[in-house]
Amino acid sequence: ETGVTQSPTHLIKTRGQQVTLRCSSQSGHNTVSWYQQALGQGPQFIFQYYREEENGRGNFPPRFSGLQFPNYSSELNVNALELDDSALYLCASSFSPTANYGYTFGSGTRLTVV
Amino acid sequence: AQTVTQSQPEMSVQEAETVTLSCTYDTSESDYYLFWYKQPPSRQMILVIRQEAYKQQNATENRFSVNFQKAAKSFSLKISDSQLGDAAMYFCAYRSAADAGNNRKLIWGLGTSLAVNP
Repeated sequence: ETGVTQSPTHLIKTRGQQVTLRCSSQSGHNTVSWYQQALGQGPQFIFQYYREEENGRGNFPPRFSGLQFPNYSSELNVNALELDDSALYLCASSFSPTANYGYTFGSGTRLTVV
Repeated sequence: AQTVTQSQPEMSVQEAETVTLSCTYDTSESDYYLFWYKQPPSRQMILVIRQEAYKQQNATENRFSVNFQKAAKSFSLKISDSQLGDAAMYFCAYRSAADAGNNRKLIWGLGTSLAVNP
């Protein structure tokens, strides 16, 4: 049983650029959630995808968007990068949107915006 | 809105001893889930233990157990026989049981950094 894998592990971008982060969900999981974790903080919910549709969103602007594919993998896209977007981005998968049994997380993508 | 508070930014424990990490939360809901996650330097969040609010019995997983006090909105984690590998950041998290768009998320505390001394 494979876990959640994220790519790339580290990324450096310039302010104003666009970035795409990728996530492969754990085998058997059909729901993917994305979180942003700033240094020294707890993660903040960005959005959740189920059956290729966004079905939950946190307080993030529209320049944060995502996709889920038929194999349940997912992408997080961030346009017009700002310095405050520098953070660890965590992907989590679950058996269902209700995630009663918790989530399986990847090791994250460390994004630095300069 | 729900909030989660971890009042201990840092804790330390001697190897083989017991340590308790505190977590309080605020909610008006009666049905929810609580989690403790561990984040080692590898950055991956690892589920340590979960508790269903409608169950009065405290959850246990090997050396990890919780003290769930629903009325007090308290959810502490006890680690027994601490091991060097337990050193990590520990996060307490809340999730509503209501399945609606705005509730489909974990709400996290700021974390407690646990050091284990040999």
